[in-house]
Amino acid sequence: DSGVTQTPKHLITATGQRVTLRCSPRSGDLSVYWYQQSLDQGLQFLIQYYNGEERAKGNILERFSAQQFPDLHSELNLSSLELGDSALYFCASSGQSRGYTFGSGTRLTVV
Amino acid sequence: DAKTTQPNSMESNEEEPVHLPCNHSTISGTDYIHWYRQLPSQGPEYVIHGLTSNVNNRMASLAIAEDRKSSTLILHRATLRDAAVYYCILTPFIIQGAQKLVFGQGTRLTINP
Repeated sequence: DSGVTQTPKHLITATGQRVTLRCSPRSGDLSVYWYQQSLDQGLQFLIQYYNGEERAKGNILERFSAQQFPDLHSELNLSSLELGDSALYFCASSGQSRGYTFGSGTRLTVV
Repeated sequence: DAKTTQPNSMESNEEEPVHLPCNHSTISGTDYIHWYRQLPSQGPEYVIHGLTSNVNNRMASLAIAEDRKSSTLILHRATLRDAAVYYCILTPFIIQGAQKLVFGQGTRLTINP
């Protein structure tokens, strides 16, 4: 157990639908990051939150949004899903001088 | 983000040392060098990080060139479990909030029994 919890582990949904992925960071970590990894592709940074505020944005589509709540857990919302959104979505957290810890990911399949 | 260059793939034999190189010629004075690895269908896993001096931990050693323009991750005795994609990543030091990790393509390490 890395300390970062992602739910659900697997998700199958239809095109056009909306899903929410959840991430609970390691205890004490204020930063949360979201990454997307398509089949045989590298890890693409999507977005970072620090203590509830958006800190950095990567190649995140307008159909995707995220937020970090007061208890520091984060949710990634994916809407109007397309087949190409099928991927592994990883969450990571980091804290001062503590390095980065990744969750085990959510595998999203859009059919 | 400062860039790193790694070989696409490397191959080694079980129980032999492995040296994974990384070039980062545009590194700045405050950039940390991180190594992460990703086993199949798993999230990236921290291996080691350093700034200027060589570093050792239970997983590996990190050798940093004197000019810091390159580094080498050393696995002292590779096992089959070490087969993974290894990423060399630079992050600037900031006081609060940390910095996102920007992953390149990494080096796919194959370990032969």
